[in-house]
Amino acid sequence: DTAVSQTPKYLVTQMGNDKSIKCEQNLGHDTMYWYKQDSKKFLKIMFSYNNKELIINETVPNRFSPKSPDKAHLNLHINSLELGDSAVYFCASSQRTGDRYEQYFGPGTRLTVT
Amino acid sequence: DAKTTQPPSMDCAEGRAANLPCNHSTISGNEYVYWYRQIHSQGPQYIIHGLKNNETNEMASLIITEDRKSSTLILPHATLRDTAVYYCIVRAASGAGSYQLTFGKGTKLSVIP
Repeated sequence: DTAVSQTPKYLVTQMGNDKSIKCEQNLGHDTMYWYKQDSKKFLKIMFSYNNKELIINETVPNRFSPKSPDKAHLNLHINSLELGDSAVYFCASSQRTGDRYEQYFGPGTRLTVT
Repeated sequence: DAKTTQPPSMDCAEGRAANLPCNHSTISGNEYVYWYRQIHSQGPQYIIHGLKNNETNEMASLIITEDRKSSTLILPHATLRDTAVYYCIVRAASGAGSYQLTFGKGTKLSVIP
């Protein structure tokens, strides 16, 4: 059973389009995240979200927006795609248990903007 | 969160112990040391974490110096499947339910047959 899943695995689209990436976790976690890994392999947090708060990294353009229909899903919507948005996007989830904060990551979605 | 410094790359012979160092000299008293790894093209994977004491689980051991300014991740018997980028991350435990990981450049470990 896949703990954190993402669809699609690959996404190729043209500049200016609007696209969405879906994320689902079956771990019962209460917090989900989106990370971006660029071509230089730097992995950066974009958002963290639970039913109480959304924390946005200030460097993320407002063309990116997370949407959570329920606790198990956190989708990433991207408007007006740009070449620089090409990257691998990872979804993750976590549940605090005492001092344990480990995050479980999905397999990633490789987005290519042409 | 305190910054960490790791060597950019390391080699290890298959079957031998891999010792990956991490410097976190500015760590504060309530900050934990976490280790994750990323195998090529996959999502990062949690390995282990600790505060003061040494920790061991089924994947690895974590040795934290007494002054907590550095730590070492030990893979006791490295296999080819352990080839990955290993990230050392320092993170404060907060009251909030969420926390954001700040990944550095990590150490690329190559396990050699």
